[in-house]
This record gives sequence, structure tokens and C-alpha cells, in this order.
Amino acid sequence: AQKITQTQPGMFVQEKEAVTLDCTYDTSDQSYGLFWYKQPSSGEMIFLIYQGSYDEQNATEGRYSLNFQKARKSANLVISASQLGDSAMYFCAMREGQDGGFKTIFGAGTRLFVKA
Amino acid sequence: KAGVTQTPRYLIKTRGQQVTLSCSPISGHRSVSWYQQTPGQGLQFLFEYFSETQRNKGNFPGRFSGRQFSNSRSEMNVSTLELGDSALYLCASSLPREGYLATGELFFGEGSRLTVL
Repeated sequence: AQKITQTQPGMFVQEKEAVTLDCTYDTSDQSYGLFWYKQPSSGEMIFLIYQGSYDEQNATEGRYSLNFQKARKSANLVISASQLGDSAMYFCAMREGQDGGFKTIFGAGTRLFVKA
Repeated sequence: KAGVTQTPRYLIKTRGQQVTLSCSPISGHRSVSWYQQTPGQGLQFLFEYFSETQRNKGNFPGRFSGRQFSNSRSEMNVSTLELGDSALYLCASSLPREGYLATGELFFGEGSRLTVL
């Protein structure tokens, strides 16, 4: 069963505008972590932001914020004031497991295009 | 601080051959995980190692194997290569933080791009 769902294969946004990338997840664990990663065309994966399942406040990192709605199991990424350099693939991910072993699973990704 | 280093960056093999990929994690990181990335399947979890022990394994055939050494460096091996094994293989290291304050963000290498002919 799909555990991380990103329903937007591609998104366009005008430079300097905000954009929301959707992510829903499925887990029966009480303790888990949610992440967003960015993969530019060069290929490297870059960690953007983290939200713990017990965190009551939404995470923010500079222009990135995570809109965490636990009851709906959603963890949307909001990028404010988009820049041309934000054009990339964005992956939502969830880290789950127990002390005996963790794994991070990824969604299919959303390709963001920022227009000048 | 040096990042995650993967070697080789590119390689071409033929069907039936085997391949070994290497990953050196960030100094101090004891957890290493491997992912296969393809256009059709996206990022698929292969396995995770911590202190030389495989702690978790994804849904891949036994042809895919790995190990971790005492210095946390890791290798993965794919035997009897198939065309479908062509992919970008990404290694990531992390500082596993257990329990309530667990974060465990992954620091990725640049990947090893394998082409099977």
C-alpha cells in the first residue's frame, strides 16, 4: 500500500509567489518523522525541513514551512517567495520504525517549475 | 566536514555481471541506508545498516546485498545484473536519534549511476 502520496506530478509557480506541494501519508506508528527533500537537476538530494509526529507547531526553515495536519495525515510543504533556483523535484518522506530498525520511505515526488 | 562519498559515480555493466558500490558516510554518522532511484519506481528503499548490522531491508530480491564495516563505510552488491537494475543508487548517512526527539534526516551522496546493457 502506498504510504506517501504526492498527487501533483508537476507544478508551475510564478517567481516571488508562494506555492504549496501536497503530501499525505499513512502509518499506524505513533512516533514518526516527516521530511521534505529537494532534488535539483544535478541529482543530489537536499534535506529541507522536518516535522516530528509529536510536534504541535508547524516546522519552518527560512522560506520553507510544513503545514502539518495530523488528523488528516497531511504534511504539505509551503515555499514562500519562490525563486528560479527552487525549480527542482521535491520529495515528501516519512521515517518510521522502532529501535530495532528505521527506514525512510519517499513519495513519488512533485516537479516544481518556477517561471520568471 | 566532508559529505557522503559514493564511488564509482558512473558505471556500465552487462547482463549477468555483478557490481559493487561503495559509500563513505559523513564522519560520526553510524547509520547508512541505500536507495534505488528509477524514473518508473521513484526512490525505493534497499536497506539500512547501523553498527555493521542490517536493521531493515526493502522489498528487493536476494541479488541485492550489502554490508557495513567497522568504520561505518558501506558497500552494496548486485549480482547477476538485469536490465531493470539500471538506476541511480543513492547512499545516505544519518545520526539516528531514537525516541521522541528522533529526527534522523538523511544526508545523501551524489549517487552511483549504473547502466546495464
